[in-house]
Amino acid sequence: DGGITQSPKYLFRKEGQNVTLSCEQNLNHDAMYWYRQDPGQGLRLIYYSQIVNDFQKGDIAEGYSVSREKKESFPLTVTSAQKNPTAFYLCASRTAGLNEQYFGPGTRLTVT
Amino acid sequence: KNQVEQSPQSLIILEGKNCTLQCNYTVSPFSNLRWYKQDTGRGPVSLTIMTFSENTKSNGRYTATLDADTKQSSLHITASQLSDSASYICVVSGGSQGNLIFGKGTKLSVKP
Repeated sequence: DGGITQSPKYLFRKEGQNVTLSCEQNLNHDAMYWYRQDPGQGLRLIYYSQIVNDFQKGDIAEGYSVSREKKESFPLTVTSAQKNPTAFYLCASRTAGLNEQYFGPGTRLTVT
Repeated sequence: KNQVEQSPQSLIILEGKNCTLQCNYTVSPFSNLRWYKQDTGRGPVSLTIMTFSENTKSNGRYTATLDADTKQSSLHITASQLSDSASYICVVSGGSQGNLIFGKGTKLSVKP
């Protein structure tokens, strides 16, 4: 898990509520990423940020929002517009050079 | 379309035995290929990363091979241990934007 922390590990919410997942890194990495993992599927990119105050949509950004006000932090908000929010969410940060990504421990979100 | 296909989907072996996991990709242009190990409910951890010019790379009992001509990679695990039980994910970096393309993983179960 390296120097990336995600909290909480488990999160439960009622349908219709927005929820924010935390991701913090102390690796001094410029780039940070959010992925979603569903059973039997590969990781899918939600949003990524290569520098503070800038971020880009990934493959499945609808229903999600992010901010990058500080280099160390990249919170993800799952909005009520996300139709199937229950999933395992992984945050990652990247070194320069070989494009090596380091992953956090993940947050399992359950929406009922 | 850039894709990463892994086989088998799941595998059960006895402790002490060897096994080989396969990864085929159609990503172009190709930058590098890495294998991650993901324990249940945890974030992926990097095992190896290989660039175009590398054919083999080892990390303890894990040995990855890469054939850039046939666009195939394998991960060989020697003398398996119970702690090797996990999902193994093949990830290719490349494509027009240099993004990571994830395979769906092979779930390995090592039985005593």
